Amino acid sequence: QQQVKQSPQSLIVQKGGISIINCAYENTAFDYFPWYQQFPGKGPALLIAIRPDVSEKKEGRFTISFNKSAKQFSLHIMDSQPGDSATYFCAASKGTSGSRLTFGEGTQLTVNP
Amino acid sequence: GAVVSQHPSWVICKSGTSVKIECRSLDFQATTMFWYRQFPKQSLMLMATSNEGSKATYEQGVEKDKFLINHASLTLSTLTVTSAHPEDSSFYICSATYPGLAFNSPLHFGNGTRLTVT
Repeated sequence: QQQVKQSPQSLIVQKGGISIINCAYENTAFDYFPWYQQFPGKGPALLIAIRPDVSEKKEGRFTISFNKSAKQFSLHIMDSQPGDSATYFCAASKGTSGSRLTFGEGTQLTVNP
Repeated sequence: GAVVSQHPSWVICKSGTSVKIECRSLDFQATTMFWYRQFPKQSLMLMATSNEGSKATYEQGVEKDKFLINHASLTLSTLTVTSAHPEDSSFYICSATYPGLAFNSPLHFGNGTRLTVT
């Protein structure tokens, strides 16, 4: 499978802080980049997604920054809350948003109260 | 909203037996379903893609005779782990999609099945 590399593996942030998770991809054919949130024992749920024709997308406290030339994208969680503590996965796919996804390795986020 | 239901949510079986996991799309017709496996603290690894009415496409390294996938209807896909062994213990997750899935519509995931083989 084409790789998507994610960092850091784990992240601890204080309540109210900014959480930043980074991903890099190799395949320039990828054109859909979602971020998923997963709680223990549950399936992943879509947080926010972006296509490479824009450099940034914001939805509430969540922002994706996209750098096409560097083949990198990142998730910023503003005003992080303890309820945000979960595992976050970046992913990438070609074609429609319903295509097969390649996931990053995941980041375990802990937000301390 | 669109929901994907997986059953059972957890199952324990003895080594050598077979286990069937169901993935249902509750309010839409899922022309394509994906099956993933996730080991503890690891990422989701795609096992296979199944299209309704046709044979599943397996990822490299996934044994198709061990992980039998059937997608006989637009709302149901099943994954059967045959002759299960302890190393098959994992979290299995399905997702479902359909043609014309809008950009901002989520690829719907089930809540996963925790398989433990003793």
